[in-house]
Amino acid sequence: EAGVAQSPRYKIIEKRQSVAFWCNPISGHATLYWYQQILGQGPKLLIQFQNNGVVDDSQLPKDRFSAERLKGVDSTLKIQPAKLEDSAVYLCASSHGGPETQYFGPGTRLLVL
Amino acid sequence: DAKTTQPPSMDCAEGRAANLPCNHSTISGNEYVYWYRQIHSQGPQYIIHGLKNNETNEMASLIITEDRKSSTLILPHATLRDTAVYYCMKVANNAGNMLTFGGGTRLMVKP
Repeated sequence: EAGVAQSPRYKIIEKRQSVAFWCNPISGHATLYWYQQILGQGPKLLIQFQNNGVVDDSQLPKDRFSAERLKGVDSTLKIQPAKLEDSAVYLCASSHGGPETQYFGPGTRLLVL
Repeated sequence: DAKTTQPPSMDCAEGRAANLPCNHSTISGNEYVYWYRQIHSQGPQYIIHGLKNNETNEMASLIITEDRKSSTLILPHATLRDTAVYYCMKVANNAGNMLTFGGGTRLMVKP
């Protein structure tokens, strides 16, 4: 079974620029999550999708972050404009049932200069 | 709702048992204890979960105290590949599968 795919793996941008991350979940997984992990901290949930609908986006900074999951499969997370404090690893995960079925991708490491 | 409390770091000798404690004194009746780990430069990986009974799988054992206020994850024979950050979390059965990660315990397995 193929895992969660994310791209790019690394991205370096300057502050105020825009950036987008892509995630392809495990086939058949209805739920998709985006997490932000700042160095030295545990992952923080940004947004959760169930199929193509948003379940929870309470911790998503909506003034600069946006996410979509068109057709209920792939998802993109965008930051516009980026700030220095957005430097982090952005993890995508998908699941088909309980929390124990949540599988994470390798993450995209973002550095904002 | 307080998160769980874990020691920030621990060491363990290769081949010995690693016992990772977690305090969750505010756990509710509908909350499970979940453990994940994150190896360097990888995404978190599910290990085990339980409600009140002790649990064992091919990766680890989970011991939950009778009052459910604390638990211990046991890796019976730690290897160098078990070096990782281990996260203990409370997850309600009606929480939409949301995981709330704390700081975790950084386990270093040494030869």
